[in-house]
Amino acid sequence: EVQLVESGGGLVQPGGSLRLSCAASGFTVSSNYMSWVRQAPGKGLEWVSVIYSGGSTYYADSVKGRFTISRDNSKNTLYLQMNSLRAEDTAVYYCARDQGLNFGYWGQGTLVTVSS
Amino acid sequence: QSALTQPASVSGSPGQSITISCTGTSSDVGGYNYVSWYQQHPGKAPKLMIYDVSKRPSGVSNRFSGSKSGNTASLTISGLQAEDEADYYCSSYTSSSTRVFGGGTKLTVL
Repeated sequence: EVQLVESGGGLVQPGGSLRLSCAASGFTVSSNYMSWVRQAPGKGLEWVSVIYSGGSTYYADSVKGRFTISRDNSKNTLYLQMNSLRAEDTAVYYCARDQGLNFGYWGQGTLVTVSS
Repeated sequence: QSALTQPASVSGSPGQSITISCTGTSSDVGGYNYVSWYQQHPGKAPKLMIYDVSKRPSGVSNRFSGSKSGNTASLTISGLQAEDEADYYCSSYTSSSTRVFGGGTKLTVL
């Protein structure tokens, strides 16, 4: 059974950093495209970043240069390193399996709050 | 990376059919058959309902169907049921290898 479990969210001050993790089971992260998607409180879904099985990475303009997506094949885990955080980065962050260029499986999400 | 355009809300009575549109550009919706639709109930993670414009994942009711014409994709729900009340989002692959979502549509079952 495919399962995705995010962790690492919390309260952080503006300008701070946070690293989110997404532990996968039931499939191999490194063999799939994997994305991060976020949802600000009361707002819609916003795609954040993707890492391809070959290692290529892409980012939304809103996070480019501040966020870095990566994976640890030995831990079958996806990461999102978030630096220079802003209030507008406050959201629930979901990881999703992006194979087939659609989001077939989602985690339960982890809340990131950027506030002083 | 502009969001795809969806109506903010739609409504219908039980048993009726509704259609939600999703308008993009030739760089996303119009350029690829990689449009997908997601259902999200309050406090829950999104669920894939339609992929590759018109394909249904295993377990999704055949009351849900998708189509595309030019730069606009559509999701149709027939035989509306109370449990269909939720937010719906479209998504597309883009020419920049990124993904883009629509702003979301709130479906109310009257």
